[in-house]
Amino acid sequence: EVQLVESGGGLVQPGGSLRLSCAASGVIVSSNYMSWVRQAPGKGLEWVSSAYGGDTTYYADSVRGRFTISRDSSKNTLFLQMNSLRPEDTAVYFCARAKWGYCSTSSCLTSYSYYYMDVWGKGTTVTVSS
Amino acid sequence: QPVLTQSSSAAASLGSSVKLTCTLSSGHSNYVIAWHQQQPGRAPRYLMQVEPTGSYNRGSGVPDRFSGSSSGADRYLTISNLQSEDEADYYCETWDSNTWVFGGGTKLTVL
Repeated sequence: EVQLVESGGGLVQPGGSLRLSCAASGVIVSSNYMSWVRQAPGKGLEWVSSAYGGDTTYYADSVRGRFTISRDSSKNTLFLQMNSLRPEDTAVYFCARAKWGYCSTSSCLTSYSYYYMDVWGKGTTVTVSS
Repeated sequence: QPVLTQSSSAAASLGSSVKLTCTLSSGHSNYVIAWHQQQPGRAPRYLMQVEPTGSYNRGSGVPDRFSGSSSGADRYLTISNLQSEDEADYYCETWDSNTWVFGGGTKLTVL
């Protein structure tokens, strides 16, 4: 069974930094497409960042240049380094694994590969406030 | 990049059925989407993928009361024999060019 456990959240002042961790079991973090998704209080889900393959990383425009996603194979852990934090970064941050899928021409007009999030952690809360 | 549109709320009676809709933006009707359930105070839970033809694949442990279907750019999640624990927020999600997009979510109330 795949389990993802986030930690590292807390209260930080605007402009401060925080590093979130996502410890994985039942899945090899370095071999999977791993992501961070956040949810501001009372709002919906927002994709933040993903790490894929060796060193390939992706970021939402809202965090690019401020957040850095990384992995530690020896600890089987995913990280999110968050710098220059803003009040609008206040949210619950979820770690998620994305699984590969394939839609053939029997189900799609044109066949294509895609990913979808199939396992979620319980989340860790980040509050940015003075 | 696709945009996913969901109604903000829905309500149905205990034991009845409800059909939630997720609409893909113009030019993206060929996309597969995933449905996720988020019960109050809990993390999201993956339910299923729904393909353009209406084929769907439920996640492990998801009851067969949950089913999917499609029509054009619309992807549906139908919940039959509604239970109190089905009261939750439901999100659709899709992937495009290494970014993810979520719908705004539908809050389902079980009456």
